Amino acid sequence: DIQLTQSPSALSASVGDTVSIACRASQNVDSWLAWYQQKPGKTPKLLIYKASILESGVPSRFSGSGSKTDFTLTIKNLQPDDFATYYCQQYDGYFQVSFGGGTKVE
Amino acid sequence: EVQLVESGGGLVQPGRSLTLSCEASGVTFEDHAMHWVRQAPGKGLEWVSGISWNSGRTGYADSVKGRFTISRDNAKNSVFLQMNSLRPEDTAFYYCGKDLVPAAATAIQSWGQGTLVTVSS
Repeated sequence: DIQLTQSPSALSASVGDTVSIACRASQNVDSWLAWYQQKPGKTPKLLIYKASILESGVPSRFSGSGSKTDFTLTIKNLQPDDFATYYCQQYDGYFQVSFGGGTKVE
Repeated sequence: EVQLVESGGGLVQPGRSLTLSCEASGVTFEDHAMHWVRQAPGKGLEWVSGISWNSGRTGYADSVKGRFTISRDNAKNSVFLQMNSLRPEDTAFYYCGKDLVPAAATAIQSWGQGTLVTVSS
């Protein structure tokens, strides 16, 4: 099974900052990686899929990069609405899926 | 607007069974693979199971393999999760999710509000 390790597990930031969250896969997942945002008491929201494709309606201050085993979610000009927990997810197309442990942006 | 509504959660004793249901609306159901994802209170997301549009492909997390079974009924726009031999560590909110594509597991584009399963004596 593919393990995903996110770092850091939590970070402190201010409005207007640029933050980056890393996700490392235990083996090559090509570009089959997604990012989600989850706010307390809410369901996850898809932000990015296939490593760098922005889901419709997601602000352009969110971006994803990386391939194979190392990926990054970057949020530029952090807004008050962006304080949340972020998860990466790998998918292999064959119904073996896993999530990272999450990164809380506070 | 896509709506996914889960039902069937509740309090159940260890070793017993429970079946979760998720009904979709506002979407062509058979155009999408479907997933179940769970989240223990205060913890992270854990993918549980997924199924392709025609039920031809399924997958399970190691933690539930052999105990849980996913199925779907496209005529009823519904996906199900049969959970047997439940354990206290299965306690979580269970979310139904709609995949981006029909035949493979990719990103989960839409999520239900979740149903809480509590396994306790």
